[in-house]
Amino acid sequence: KAGVTQTPRYLIKTRGQQVTLSCSPISGHRSVSWYQQTPGQGLQFLFEYFSETQRNKGNFPGRFSGRQFSNSRSEMNVSTLELGDSALYLCASSKTGGSHEKLFFGSGTQLSVL
Amino acid sequence: AQTVTQSQPEMSVQEAETVTLSCTYDTSESDYYLFWYKQPPSRQMILVIRQEAYKQQNATENRFSVNFQKAAKSFSLKISDSQLGDAAMYFCAYRRDLIQGAQKLVFGQGTRLTINP
Repeated sequence: KAGVTQTPRYLIKTRGQQVTLSCSPISGHRSVSWYQQTPGQGLQFLFEYFSETQRNKGNFPGRFSGRQFSNSRSEMNVSTLELGDSALYLCASSKTGGSHEKLFFGSGTQLSVL
Repeated sequence: AQTVTQSQPEMSVQEAETVTLSCTYDTSESDYYLFWYKQPPSRQMILVIRQEAYKQQNATENRFSVNFQKAAKSFSLKISDSQLGDAAMYFCAYRRDLIQGAQKLVFGQGTRLTINP
């Protein structure tokens, strides 16, 4: 069974640009959540999607957005990039998003903003 | 708001010995889940062990066990017979269900574990 796949693995952008990151969950998983990991702030929750609907959102500005498609694949978009957006972005999937379920993480997308 | 605190930024242990990583959390809820995740250099977050708050029995997974003290809001991870492959960042995390689905995972700042051969 294939794991959670995130593309691309690495990305370099300049300030003001926008970026789209992709996450393909494990087959059969309908919940996808996104986390930002930085040395200073640690791991912070961005948002969670289930069946194409955003159920939860973290405390991030509106420049951060996401969506989920009918096949459960998810994308997140960051517009007007800032230096502080440089981070590892992790995606995780589970069947329904319940707390009792095991979360499966991808290897992340390392975003560098210059 | 829930918070998770890991007071040990770094720990080291000799191969084959036992090490304990500390974690405390703050919540007003009675039903929740606690986790330990491992993040090796590959960056993929891997679940090590999970504890349900309503279960008094401490969770165990092979060489990994927890000491869950609900009243003290403490959740430590013990690694027995440490192996070189255990070297990684370890994160303690908290999660609970909401009506509309599970709440986010709240992570601690992490403990970097080094295994000395």
